[in-house]
Amino acid sequence: DVKVTQSSRYLVKRTGEKVFLECVQDMDHENMFWYRQDPGLGLRLIYFSYDVKMKEKGDIPEGYSVSREKKERFSLILESASTNQTSMYLCASSLESTGELFFGEGSRLTVL
Amino acid sequence: RKEVEQDPGPFNVPEGATVAFNCTYSNSASQSFFWYRQDCRKEPKLLMSVYSSGNEDGRFTAQLNRASQYISLLIRDSKLSDSATYLCVVNRVDSSYKLIFGSGTRLLVRP
Repeated sequence: DVKVTQSSRYLVKRTGEKVFLECVQDMDHENMFWYRQDPGLGLRLIYFSYDVKMKEKGDIPEGYSVSREKKERFSLILESASTNQTSMYLCASSLESTGELFFGEGSRLTVL
Repeated sequence: RKEVEQDPGPFNVPEGATVAFNCTYSNSASQSFFWYRQDCRKEPKLLMSVYSSGNEDGRFTAQLNRASQYISLLIRDSKLSDSATYLCVVNRVDSSYKLIFGSGTRLLVRP
């Protein structure tokens, strides 16, 4: 079974703090994604990566950056957390560009 | 107008009922369509892909109507375990990597 593991299930941070969300997949997938999920808005794509050191902006990249130094690991960085970044963050991976997405369990971030 | 629209529900049905959800999409050039299922406080998981000819997987049937730009999901003989949120997913035509998720339709199956 594909496993996508997110480092933290729940985080509470203060405004202005730097936040790292880590994601690791164990199936040698090329593509990795970061989404946020908010009530009524569905999942929105923040960034995705189709290869090591390659990244592309999704629909809502502002306030976020990403890092993919190894194929299995994709990190989401909030340089200076703000209250409007309180959300559920979901990491996903896929083998092919239009293939099935495998999600991690999510990281619920609260910014106070 | 949202790129992918779903009725949020909830659809509240008794066990054994047949229930159908529709999802409309705005870009007629979209090529790939999916239904994902998300249980409460869990991650989304692929339920089924939607093919032009329609497809069936046990009690679940997915249909695509390109002329009217909607996809549907039919669940027959509903089970309590079918209670979940069903997410409609469509690819964005300017990039095959970008899948657009609807905000989901919630289904509650009661005993």
